[in-house]
Amino acid sequence: KQEVTQIPAALSVPEGENLVLNCSFTDSAIYNLQWFRQDPGKGLTSLLLIQSSQREQTSGRLNASLDKSSGRSTLYIAASQPGDSATYLCAVADDKIIFGKGTRLHILP
Amino acid sequence: NAGVTQTPKFRVLKTGQSMTLLCAQDMNHEYMYWYRQDPGMGLRLIHYSVGEGTTAKGEVPDGYNVSRLKKQNFLLGLESAAPSQTSVYFCASSYSTGSMNTEAFFGQGTRLTVV
Repeated sequence: KQEVTQIPAALSVPEGENLVLNCSFTDSAIYNLQWFRQDPGKGLTSLLLIQSSQREQTSGRLNASLDKSSGRSTLYIAASQPGDSATYLCAVADDKIIFGKGTRLHILP
Repeated sequence: NAGVTQTPKFRVLKTGQSMTLLCAQDMNHEYMYWYRQDPGMGLRLIHYSVGEGTTAKGEVPDGYNVSRLKKQNFLLGLESAAPSQTSVYFCASSYSTGSMNTEAFFGQGTRLTVV
């Protein structure tokens, strides 16, 4: 049974800092891993998708890496801004998509 | 370009009532999913479908039924609603070749309250 864990559950950092969010999964037989952002009371916004054959993906200030053999992914956010405050969710896919519980990020102005 | 559309967006039910949530996608995706989201719990998979006419149980299937009679629609039914089913429900779809999945696209969510 696939289990996805995100650490930390919550994080507060001053504006401008670089930060790393972690995601681990128990079954490495995945097709892809996707990072999402969710603002309070809103839906999910897809940030980055990494196929199982890839090692990383970048979009603007975001960089996500995938180490399938060790069951780990990281989301790196450079030069954080208050607008980055949200919950970040990691999801792994085989024939179904399983989510972690998320990391609540608060960027302090 | 509609993507994934959920109907309704909000609903209040009395305990014991039944209802159906509709998810429609216009991207010709094979895979469709229903999730519920409760505070601090992330998204938990209720049921999913890997193609028209197929359904499978997810992590929390009890109290729910689903049907995928048409490729573009995935219905989630609550036969006898309970207060524990108060939640936000999300539908998603993706395309799969069997060895690779595309990005998953999500609906805007349905906020259901059972009183």
